[in-house]
Amino acid sequence: ETGVTQTPRHLVMGMTNKKSLKCEQHLGHNAMYWYKQSAKKPLELMFVYSLEERVENNSVPSRFSPECPNSSHLFLHLHTLQPEDSALYLCASSQEAPGDGTGELFFGEGSRLTVL
Amino acid sequence: GQNIDQPTEMTATEGAIVQINCTYQTSGFNGLFWYQQHAGEAPTFLSYNVLDGLEEKGRFSSFLSRSKGYSYLLLKELQMKDSASYLCAVQDSNYQLIWGAGTKLIIKP
Repeated sequence: ETGVTQTPRHLVMGMTNKKSLKCEQHLGHNAMYWYKQSAKKPLELMFVYSLEERVENNSVPSRFSPECPNSSHLFLHLHTLQPEDSALYLCASSQEAPGDGTGELFFGEGSRLTVL
Repeated sequence: GQNIDQPTEMTATEGAIVQINCTYQTSGFNGLFWYQQHAGEAPTFLSYNVLDGLEEKGRFSSFLSRSKGYSYLLLKELQMKDSASYLCAVQDSNYQLIWGAGTKLIIKP
C-alpha cells in the first residue's frame, strides 16, 4: 500500500469511447503526476500538477486531458484514443513540487489501458 | 539528448550478489534514484544518491560516481522476492526525472 490509489486497474475501450482514469493520494502531498509506461521503454512523464496547478505538459496529444480538482485527486480524461495509446498509466505523488524536495515519488499500481 | 542506460535483463541465483549498473548523460545532475517494480505493482523507492559514494540500506546498496556518470545498485543475499524490475532515474538541472528503461532481474533457486 503506497498511499496512492488508482481506478480502474484495467480498462478496455474502443477508439471512439470516452473514459476517465482516477487517482487519489492519501499522503498529504503537494504534487501529482501522470506517467505512461510501455513495455521495455522508459517511463514517460505526461503531466505534473503542483498545488492543483499544472506545471508541466510534455507535448501530450490533446486526446489526453488532465484534471486536478484538489491536491488529493487527479484525473486523466481519455477520448478518441489510438491503439498505440495502450499502456500502463501510472499516477504518482511527491511531498513537494519538483525541485523543492528530494523528489521521491510514491506511485499507484497503475491503470492498464487497452485500446481496440 | 539525455540518456540513461541500464541492462535490459539479468539473471542471478538465490543467495548470491548481483550488481545492476546505470550510466547516464544528462543536462545537469540533481540526484539519482533507484526504484523497484514487481510485475503488476507500483514502482517503490529504493534509494537516492546525490553525493559520490556508497549508500547502504540493509541488503541493498547504491553507489554513485558523478564524474563518471555512473551508478550501481548492489543486492546481497538474493531472495526470490527480489525478482523485479529495477528502474534508474536521474534528476537533471531542471529537476526533471530522466528514466532508464529498467532492468528485469530474474532470481533462480
